[in-house]
Amino acid sequence: GNSVTQMEGPVTLSEEAFLTINCTYTATGYPSLFWYVQYPGEGLQLLLKATKADDKGSNKGFEATYRKETTSFHLEKGSVQVSDSAVYFCALGTYNFNKFYFGSGTKLNVKP
Amino acid sequence: GAVVSQHPSRVICKSGTSVKIECRSLDFQATTMFWYRQFPKQSLMLMATSNEGSKATYEQGVEKDKFLINHASLTLSTLTVTSAHPEDSSFYICSASRTSGGAGDTQYFGPGTRLTVL
Repeated sequence: GNSVTQMEGPVTLSEEAFLTINCTYTATGYPSLFWYVQYPGEGLQLLLKATKADDKGSNKGFEATYRKETTSFHLEKGSVQVSDSAVYFCALGTYNFNKFYFGSGTKLNVKP
Repeated sequence: GAVVSQHPSRVICKSGTSVKIECRSLDFQATTMFWYRQFPKQSLMLMATSNEGSKATYEQGVEKDKFLINHASLTLSTLTVTSAHPEDSSFYICSASRTSGGAGDTQYFGPGTRLTVL
């Protein structure tokens, strides 16, 4: 079946620290992988995506590489800011019918 | 581009009443719309997928007679929670996709609707 596993939070970092949020998946077929971010009281915003193995998605300093051999799509950022504090969701989109499966979300707190 | 709105953002209703939530794609045509439910501090659970002009496809365990979905146009889908009960209280989020399938199709999410049933 299809599923996504994320590291549990919350993750608390100081400003300018390096961020890694782990995400692994199981899938049938050839999924696309996504990271979404949810700020307090808001819906989900697409952060980045990758549609095939070895693709790297990047946006706003965040990046993630689609690793088929390790079934992973870890999110990284070299230097976090207070404004990055939010909940981050890893998601898998199936090839057929575009169903999305979400991880449990990881809350990131960045302290000044 | 790719903005999705939801209305209302918050609704409080009495037990036994019905509530309608609208989801609109503002600047694109959404062939497919999705409805999710998010419990506190938990992930999103897909409830149903709807394509314009056809019946919604519900996920296993979701009562189709309780959660009525209508996708009347390429920019509007509605979710009606019928005979709401306190256990239906949740955060409901819709998303929209430009196409009806294929890997790489991004879903664009609305801001969510907080439903509280007293």
